[in-house]
Amino acid sequence: SYELTQSPSVSVSPGQTARITCSGDALPKNYAYWYQLKSGQSPVLVIYEDTKRPSGIPERFSGSSSGTMATLTINGAQVGDGGDYYCYSTDSRGNHWVFGGGTKLTVL
Amino acid sequence: EVQLVESGGGLEKPGGSLRLSCAASGFNFTNAWMTWVRQGPGKGLEWVGRIKSKSDGGTTDYAAPVKDRFTMSRDDSKKMLYLQMNSLKIEDTGVYHCVFYGYIGSGSPIVLNYVDVWGKGTTVTVSS
Repeated sequence: SYELTQSPSVSVSPGQTARITCSGDALPKNYAYWYQLKSGQSPVLVIYEDTKRPSGIPERFSGSSSGTMATLTINGAQVGDGGDYYCYSTDSRGNHWVFGGGTKLTVL
Repeated sequence: EVQLVESGGGLEKPGGSLRLSCAASGFNFTNAWMTWVRQGPGKGLEWVGRIKSKSDGGTTDYAAPVKDRFTMSRDDSKKMLYLQMNSLKIEDTGVYHCVFYGYIGSGSPIVLNYVDVWGKGTTVTVSS
């Protein structure tokens, strides 16, 4: 079955740039989506279709994709940006979607 | 306002069944492809399955761990989505979210806006 691979954790100091990567064989063909998940809350979409930012999401969040890797970048990360981030995409046939294993972002 | 409200969760023994429901409002449910996502305790997000709109065939796709045990269905007249869960396993324990994502058109001329809406979830506990 299709898999998306994320590094388990990323740690940055406030104001630094955080980069979270997601690799998958079908990413050259399919969009990546990024969700922020905080304990006890429903997931929040921060990037859709590789690079687009939903309304209400700060400009410091951006997304990119090249080849088999998608990247979520948080410029000037804030303490409040800490949490778990999941990439989301579909297999090459577009029938089965999958989340990456999640990356725990610590901003301290 | 686009809204999804799940219900039907509870405590069930391994091997038992549960039926989850999701009430949709605020968007054209008939044309929507709907998804179920779950999160187990201490685990990450897991895609459960998706049902297409009837106009796109109404077909379903499921994640491997639930295939042949779970069945998604929809009642467009009631704007309801369902997840029939059979042969439950302990690892099915978690919070189940009903999700709609995609473009919604509004206004004149029509402007397409991307929406991503999750229900608050309903908790399923499988335990003996």
